[in-house]
Amino acid sequence: GENVEQHPSTLSVQEGDSAVIKCTYSDSASNYFPWYKQELGKRPQLIIDIRSNVGEKKDQRIAVTLNKTAKHFSLHITETQPEDSAVYFCAASIAHAGKSTFGDGTTLTVKP
Amino acid sequence: EAGVAQSPRYKIIEKRQSVAFWCNPISGHATLYWYQQILGQGPKLLIQFQNNGVVDDSQLPKDRFSAERLKGVDSTLKIQPAKLEDSAVYLCASSLGGGDSGNTIYFGEGSWLTVV
Repeated sequence: GENVEQHPSTLSVQEGDSAVIKCTYSDSASNYFPWYKQELGKRPQLIIDIRSNVGEKKDQRIAVTLNKTAKHFSLHITETQPEDSAVYFCAASIAHAGKSTFGDGTTLTVKP
Repeated sequence: EAGVAQSPRYKIIEKRQSVAFWCNPISGHATLYWYQQILGQGPKLLIQFQNNGVVDDSQLPKDRFSAERLKGVDSTLKIQPAKLEDSAVYLCASSLGGGDSGNTIYFGEGSWLTVV
């Protein structure tokens, strides 16, 4: 089955700096890659996603890049703010199967 | 739009007792998932339903866990008997199901289980 590895497990940045979280996946059939943000005690919520026919996608301060050949994708957060502090999960899935495999998460702390 | 509803939110039980969690997905979502999230880890799929049929239950510990989705809407997840290592958050999620446009998974708030 699919295996997703996520790095780093913890990340601390100063407010205003950029943060990058990287994930690798094993199943070349995976074609949909969502990112979720989970605040303490809350549900994971989708923040951005990318499909395999696209190399990069941006939404305001967040962007995701995908390298299908290397089987890795990354989340980029620019101009970080304290409210960006949360656990971020990447996932890889096969669109028609509707099943996602999640990474173990990255705890991002943005220091004011 | 109403989200995925789960209950109870919190449950503390002794080992070897049983517990049941209930989930009501977003209206119209054909696919329903139960994930187990242990502290410090990502969600791990336990079971996936498409309408009222099981698509994947390969990671469900069937000797103690069971799940059903009668009538293709609400679902229950049961643990009997519970073990200490079952302490986790049980996340129910749903998606439209199938096709490129139906992949976004929406999570409920989770049911927090502590086994003592």
